[in-house]
Amino acid sequence: GENVEQHPSTLSVQEGDSAVIKCTYSDSASNYFPWYKQELGKGPQLIIDIRSNVGEKKDQRIAVTLNKTAKHFSLHITETQPEDSAVYFCAASRGWDTDKLIFGTGTRLQVFP
Amino acid sequence: NAGVTQTPKFQVLKTGQSMTLQCAQDMNHEYMSWYRQDPGMGLRLIHYSVGAGITDQGEVPNGYNVSRSTTEDFPLRLLSAAPSQTSVYFCASSRTGPTEAFFGQGTRLTVV
Repeated sequence: GENVEQHPSTLSVQEGDSAVIKCTYSDSASNYFPWYKQELGKGPQLIIDIRSNVGEKKDQRIAVTLNKTAKHFSLHITETQPEDSAVYFCAASRGWDTDKLIFGTGTRLQVFP
Repeated sequence: NAGVTQTPKFQVLKTGQSMTLQCAQDMNHEYMSWYRQDPGMGLRLIHYSVGAGITDQGEVPNGYNVSRSTTEDFPLRLLSAAPSQTSVYFCASSRTGPTEAFFGQGTRLTVV
C-alpha cells in the first residue's frame, strides 16, 4: 500500500522567511496530493492540493510542487507570518472514488516574530 | 451549515468498555473516513466508506467497527476499549472519493 514520508518533523523560521516541507510517496499510481493545516485543538483543514497533471500550483503565499519521476512533492510558504504556525500534513491518493487518502507524519512549523 | 460534526468531544473509558464515536455531515457527501492521530505518527486511516452500505478497512482497522446505514452518518465503534486506543479521532467527509476532504473537530479518547 501507499506510504508517505514527511520531513522535517519540526521547522522553526523567522517571520518573513520562507518555509519548505517535503514529502515522498511510494505508490507510483498516486495522482492526488493535498496539504492540510492543523491548528491547536482543531481538525485539519485543506489549504492546497495538486494533481499529477500539474507540476506546480500557487495560492497567494503558498505553493506546492510535484515531481512524479522522483515521487516527491513539497509545500512552500513564503513571507511567513506568526499565524502560519501550525502542524502541516501532506497526503497522497490515487484519487479514485474508492481509494484511500494516506497521510504523512506531520511537520510542526513555528514562525517567530 | 454545520459541516462535519463529531460527538463527544472528550471521553474517558475504562479498559474493556465499549462505546460509539458519532460522526455526521450535512453536505450530502458520499465519502467518509475515520482517522486516529497519535504524537509522531500523523493521521492513520482506520476505516472508510464510499457510500451508504459500503465500508472498507484502512491502515489500522483492528479493534474498530463501522457501518454506514445513511449518507449522513458514519459511527465508529470500539467493542472492547484498550489503552492502546487512547488517541484523538477525526472523522472526514468529501463529495466523492478522498479528495477535498473536510474534517471534524475531533474526539479525544482516553482509555484507562
